[in-house]
Amino acid sequence: SQQGEEDPQALSIQEGENATMNCSYKTSINNLQWYRQNSGRGLVHLILIRSNEREKHSGRLRVTLDTSKKSSSLLITASRAADTASYFCATDDNAGNMLTFGGGTRLMVKP
Amino acid sequence: DGGITQSPKYLFRKEGQNVTLSCEQNLNHDAMYWYRQDPGQGLRLIYYSQIVNDFQKGDIAEGYSVSREKKESFPLTVTSAQKNPTAFYLCASSVTNQPQHFGDGTRLSIL
Repeated sequence: SQQGEEDPQALSIQEGENATMNCSYKTSINNLQWYRQNSGRGLVHLILIRSNEREKHSGRLRVTLDTSKKSSSLLITASRAADTASYFCATDDNAGNMLTFGGGTRLMVKP
Repeated sequence: DGGITQSPKYLFRKEGQNVTLSCEQNLNHDAMYWYRQDPGQGLRLIYYSQIVNDFQKGDIAEGYSVSREKKESFPLTVTSAQKNPTAFYLCASSVTNQPQHFGDGTRLSIL
């Protein structure tokens, strides 16, 4: 079963613009994570936000979490062509044993 | 350098044949995971193991088998019972309740 759903499925922007991706989930979570995947490669962890946190920053990344709406957003500011990748949200079960991934947002940043 | 190594990068299977995908990690992580990724989709959990000699089924375990005889190794066998094995397979490892580290995947195709 797929817990998280990303929106939009695909996003195309110009270099320098901001990119916002959203994730919705269905059940209570312990934490929510965002990962990045370059084409044909494995996933790389970007940021983890716990259920008692509302916002977290890491460099050009800003993640928000609204547990009342069961949703999260990932904002990439001042995007670069190298940010072109697929971005996935993942939620864990309350025991922290397994991650459930959404279908991903495919981001293209045009130079 | 520490990391996860998956091999081979590309693998071809004949009808009725079992094939084994290798995953080795030197991160000293207790937990290891196998995921399947179909084109344009998110990751689905096949099996996971939190400790040596123990593993649990994920969402799509049918047609797959695993073993965890050593902490460093978590091989996945795609059996002939898996009727649609063509996919990208990703292995990951983690400390419990921490972000997962991924290998670069094995792409399996049917001859």
